[in-house]
Amino acid sequence: AQSVTQPDIHITVSEGASLELRCNYSYGATPYLFWYVQSPGQGLQLLLKYFSGDTLVQGIKGFEAEFKRSQSSFNLRKPSVHWSDAAEYFCAVGFNAGNNRKLIWGLGTSLAVNP
Amino acid sequence: GAGVSQSPRYKVAKRGQDVALRCDPISGHVSLFWYQQALGQGPEFLTYFQNEAQLDKSGLPSDRFFAERPEGSVSTLKIQRTQQEDSAVYLCASANTEAFFGQGTRLTVV
Repeated sequence: AQSVTQPDIHITVSEGASLELRCNYSYGATPYLFWYVQSPGQGLQLLLKYFSGDTLVQGIKGFEAEFKRSQSSFNLRKPSVHWSDAAEYFCAVGFNAGNNRKLIWGLGTSLAVNP
Repeated sequence: GAGVSQSPRYKVAKRGQDVALRCDPISGHVSLFWYQQALGQGPEFLTYFQNEAQLDKSGLPSDRFFAERPEGSVSTLKIQRTQQEDSAVYLCASANTEAFFGQGTRLTVV
C-alpha cells in the first residue's frame, strides 16, 4: 500500500538557520510529490511539486525540495528560516488511478522558529 | 471568488444530528476532492469527483457519509447521525493540474 512518512513530528529552529524536513514514501512507481504548508486557521498552500524532470525543484517562499529515487525521499529545504515560516508542513504523494489524482498524506511536521 | 470556498467554517452538531458541508470550487475545475483531517493528523482522502461523476468514494468511513456534485460544480458532503469520532476538519480541494484547498469546515460533535 502507498504510504508517506514524515519522521519528525516537531522541529524547532532558530531564525536564520537552515531547515530540512524529511519525507519518505512507499510506492511502486514514481509518484507525484508535493509539499504543502498549513498555518493556523488557514487552508493548505502548495509550496512545490515534482512530477518529472529535474529532481531539484524550487518553490515559493524560498523553499526547495530534492527527489531522490534511490532513497524514496523528497526532503524539503530552506537555507534561512524566517519567523513567519512557523507552521505545519505536509508531504503528500499523488498517483494516477485512471484520472483520480487523490493524495496520500504524511502526518505532518510542526515547525517552530525561535527568534 | 478566486479560491475554494467552504461553508460553514465552523459547525457544532449534537450527536445524532445530520450535517451538510458545502464546497464551492474554483470555476472551471474538473476535479473535486474531499478530505478529513483529524486533530494532529494529516488529511485523509474521502472521495473524488470528476465533474459530476463520483469516481472514487473508497475513503468514506461509513454509509453515514454521502457526497454529491450534481451539476459538476458545487459539492456537498453530508454526514448522517453524526458521532463524536466524526469531529474533524473537512477539507475540500478543486483541481485541474494543481489542487487548491479551501480553509475547511471544523465539525465538532458534542
